[in-house]
Amino acid sequence: GAVVSQHPSRVICKSGTSVKIECRSLDFQATTMFWYRQFPKQSLMLMATSNEGSKATYEQGVEKDKFLINHASLTLSTLTVTSAHPEDSSFYICSAFRTQTDEQYFGPGTRLTVT
Amino acid sequence: QKEVEQNSGPLSVPEGAIASLNCTYSDRGSQSFFWYRQYSGKSPELIMSIYSNGDKEDGRFTAQLNKASQYVSLLIRDSQPSDSATYLCAVTGGNDYKLSFGAGTTVTVRA
Repeated sequence: GAVVSQHPSRVICKSGTSVKIECRSLDFQATTMFWYRQFPKQSLMLMATSNEGSKATYEQGVEKDKFLINHASLTLSTLTVTSAHPEDSSFYICSAFRTQTDEQYFGPGTRLTVT
Repeated sequence: QKEVEQNSGPLSVPEGAIASLNCTYSDRGSQSFFWYRQYSGKSPELIMSIYSNGDKEDGRFTAQLNKASQYVSLLIRDSQPSDSATYLCAVTGGNDYKLSFGAGTTVTVRA
């Protein structure tokens, strides 16, 4: 299968600071990537769709000014959590859509803890 | 909004048995169907994709799709303790490639 990486895998930050998470498709190009959030024992929640070269599309209820998404190249999308607060602590997972197979592959996730 | 429903778990099967997972979807226009496996604390991993009616086999996994009944299933043969995980059914069909997930079925394989 295709490989998607995320960095960092874990991050702890202080309340009020910003954190950037990178998502890379390592062996295919992805014009479309997705960002999800998952709280313990809950389902995946889609936050936004990231399209290369254009603005991200956010799901209802997700603050676009708080969760900044940049899809600068066909293999890299970044999610920046701005002015993080403890309630932003969660497991953030990206996925990349592989056009050739119509399949979506997930990164390993980033566990964010805001203190 | 595509609705995807999975049979409620948890599902407990003895080692070596067949685990059967079911999924129904509401949008008749759905075109692509996937099964993901998610271990506790990890991200989902794609294990099967199926696009046309019938069966698709990959190792110990068999996916079955019946578009007329809007039904997708996953069979895990010769279940192993390492198969213990939550299995997510997902469908897509629009140009936005978004996945609609079921709530997941947690499978426990007893050694």
